[in-house]
Amino acid sequence: QQQVRQSPQSLTVWEGETTILNCSYEDSTFDYFPWYRQFPGKSPALLIAISLVSNKKEDGRFTIFFNKREKKLSLHITDSQPGDSATYFCAASETGNTRKLIFGLGTTLQVQP
Amino acid sequence: EAAVTQSPRNKVTVTGGNVTLSCRQTNSHNYMYWYRQDTGHGLRLIHYSYGAGNLQIGDVPDGYKATRTTQEDFFLLLELASPSQTSLYFCASSGSGTTEVFFGKGTRLTVV
Repeated sequence: QQQVRQSPQSLTVWEGETTILNCSYEDSTFDYFPWYRQFPGKSPALLIAISLVSNKKEDGRFTIFFNKREKKLSLHITDSQPGDSATYFCAASETGNTRKLIFGLGTTLQVQP
Repeated sequence: EAAVTQSPRNKVTVTGGNVTLSCRQTNSHNYMYWYRQDTGHGLRLIHYSYGAGNLQIGDVPDGYKATRTTQEDFFLLLELASPSQTSLYFCASSGSGTTEVFFGKGTRLTVV
């Protein structure tokens, strides 16, 4: 049973468009939700994160929207660029002692120039 | 910038072989993790640890042992390697004062 689910599995957009990546989770004990980005042949790296105390988190062109009641998140990328082409992982964890970080299966984004 | 170093970067072994993957972090982080990444399965947590001598079981532990010998060093052991363990393995670490997880560059393991 996948605890963190992402959709779509893959996505192609045109340069300048807004990309929306979706994520949902099951476990009510999760309280921290980072998004990691992985370029081909590279390691995942933290892009942006949100906790339960917030409904929205912005960092430049990247924004997380969080619907706690429905346990859904979305990552919006405005003015998408070819350099944004990568796989995006939504993850969830409890910030207590265990710090177990669970990843979704990822969304592969291709931005066409 | 947090540093997580994995070795070897590539490894080929035979079915039934014995393999040890090594990871060292020099960030004074308490938490260390071993993940495997496979197409269609994303990143799956094998084992993790929150200090020297501590070991926690992840979501896909079967066929793997791990040992955290020091705060810096975390090892993943495959004692009877099988072709199903062919994968890209990532080690990662995070500190008590931060929730960000830093990944190593990965070890590509092939079991033939």
